[in-house]
Amino acid sequence: EDQVTQSPEALRLQEGESSSLNCSYTVSGLRGLFWYRQDPGKGPEFLFTLYSAGEEKEKERLKATLTKKESFLHITAPKPEDSATYLCAGNPYGGATNKLIFGTGTLLAVQP
Amino acid sequence: DVKVTQSSRYLVKRTGEKVFLECVQDMDHENMFWYRQDPGLGLRLIYFSYDVKMKEKGDIPEGYSVSREKKERFSLILESASTNQTSMYLCASSYPREPYNEQFFGPGTRLTVL
Repeated sequence: EDQVTQSPEALRLQEGESSSLNCSYTVSGLRGLFWYRQDPGKGPEFLFTLYSAGEEKEKERLKATLTKKESFLHITAPKPEDSATYLCAGNPYGGATNKLIFGTGTLLAVQP
Repeated sequence: DVKVTQSSRYLVKRTGEKVFLECVQDMDHENMFWYRQDPGLGLRLIYFSYDVKMKEKGDIPEGYSVSREKKERFSLILESASTNQTSMYLCASSYPREPYNEQFFGPGTRLTVL
């Protein structure tokens, strides 16, 4: 069964304290791995798509990387405004195009 | 910017009522999706559509139906609302093929069924 697992469930950081969020996937062939940010009471906001192992993408303090079994979202010198839930999702081959399987998210709190 | 709008931010209905949730996107996307999001369960796909009048069941279609009469509009219908359908409902849209197939989400509708 296709599955996406995120860890930790929750993470509390001090401002400036860098860390990484993990997304492991057991998907029957991965068409793409997506990262989203979700603020309370809002819809997810797209961050990155990764398509192949070794690929990296960056946006401000965030960098996403992909291996054959997992993806990491690295947060460098976070600020309080980076506080949000971060979701990852896998798009497997063998199913409908664009069907995403979501993890349950990591709730990140950055304290000033 | 892609814009996905949903008809209501908050909705309160009674058990047994028929409920319509509407979603409109302005980017000419072929694909549209309906999810529900519950604490600890994440986003779960209810239905999706890859073209006008075309639809496919997602992972949890029971108790729901959908309608797509125009490319930009995708409606979710709860035929007879039940308390276990209290949830956050999210609509999304996307192009069908890589590398531009990321899904763009609306703001969500928080539905409470009493």
